[in-house]
Amino acid sequence: AQKITQTQPGMFVQEKEAVTLDCTYDTSDQSYGLFWYKQPSSGEMIFLIYQGSYDEQNATEGRYSLNFQKARKSANLVISASQLGDSAMYFCAMRGGAGGTSYGKLTFGQGTILTVHP
Amino acid sequence: NAGVTQTPKFQVLKTGQSMTLQCAQDMNHNSMYWYRQDPGMGLRLIYYSASEGTTDKGEVPNGYNVSRLNKREFSLRLESAAPSQTSVYFCASSEVWTVSYEQYFGPGTRLTVT
Repeated sequence: AQKITQTQPGMFVQEKEAVTLDCTYDTSDQSYGLFWYKQPSSGEMIFLIYQGSYDEQNATEGRYSLNFQKARKSANLVISASQLGDSAMYFCAMRGGAGGTSYGKLTFGQGTILTVHP
Repeated sequence: NAGVTQTPKFQVLKTGQSMTLQCAQDMNHNSMYWYRQDPGMGLRLIYYSASEGTTDKGEVPNGYNVSRLNKREFSLRLESAAPSQTSVYFCASSEVWTVSYEQYFGPGTRLTVT
């Protein structure tokens, strides 16, 4: 079974500063994937970034980067140059299993509410 | 290209009533999923369908049934609604033969059971 832990219920950051949202995971699978989703107050789920367990480089997508430390089983999201529109709930999620065996099922963490102050 | 659509957006039920949540995707994805999100919690998988003609239980299947009507549509049925099923329900789809298996989510259905 997979487990995702997000230990920060809420985080605050000043506009234009960088912020790190923590995520640790537990799995016995050798092959897995880690995702971050953003959920603004409007409620939709927005995909941000993906990291495969065999990827040697940390994933980056624009202002988002994933700090992947496999030995520590952590997959922290770093948002650089925060903007007011980044205020939202952020979820870390994991897909376990190799190939199609997991059928893409995701296990989510509890989420972190990020508030960006002007 | 609408992505994943869900109907209805909002619903209020009385305890014991039944209803079906509808979901459709136009991305030709093989796999579809139903999740629920309770306040202060992440999403939890209710049921999934790896491909047309198959369905399987997720983490919290009790009180729900699903039907994969065709490749596009995946419905979730509450046979006898209970207050504990008050939640926001998300449908998602993905193509598991891609590198990331990214899931695309619908806008959600906010269900209240009184």
